Amino acid sequence: DQQVKQNSPSLSVQEGRISILNCDYTNSMFDYFLWYKKYPAEGPTFLISISSIKDKNEDGRFTVFLNKSAKHLSLHIVPSQPGDSAVYFCAASNNNDMRFGAGTRLTVKP
Amino acid sequence: DVKVTQSSRYLVKRTGEKVFLECVQDMDHENMFWYRQDPGLGLRLIYFSYDVKMKEKGDIPEGYSVSREKKERFSLILESASTNQTSMYLCASSEGSLRYGYTFGSGTRLTVV
Repeated sequence: DQQVKQNSPSLSVQEGRISILNCDYTNSMFDYFLWYKKYPAEGPTFLISISSIKDKNEDGRFTVFLNKSAKHLSLHIVPSQPGDSAVYFCAASNNNDMRFGAGTRLTVKP
Repeated sequence: DVKVTQSSRYLVKRTGEKVFLECVQDMDHENMFWYRQDPGLGLRLIYFSYDVKMKEKGDIPEGYSVSREKKERFSLILESASTNQTSMYLCASSEGSLRYGYTFGSGTRLTVV
């Protein structure tokens, strides 16, 4: 039972353009949502989070949007850089029970 | 710089062997977790612990056990390794607040032959 879904296994964008990574969830009890970034042969690193009481959180080039009615969140990266090429995992949590999506591989082309 | 350290980056073990994966964190975190990562399946929780000597099953505990004798150390044990346990294993810790997520180790790539 996948409660967190990332339906796009991969995404390719041009350097300088916007990258939009999407995530859907099914459990309305989730109260915190997070994005992690993972390079090959490394563990995931925390990128940005958002509480369920907010609809937007911004940190530099990264913005996460939450649409609770649609049970959907997205990560926007503007402008995209080649160093952003990695696998991005969406995660959602309820009382520290964290569920992860399958990941989206982002490739930013120079 | 805070750290979660996993003892091995790569391991190759034979079917039926008992395998120990070690994880140590230096952040005095209460919570520790073991995940496995497989293509198309994301990260799946095997076991977690909120305190010393405490352990809870995650979503896929079958074939695994854990040990937490000290706060900083959380060990994952494969009692009798099987080929379907070939995977990337990730240890993580957290202080409790999710605002900054979990801190993950670099992972152990385990191959069971």
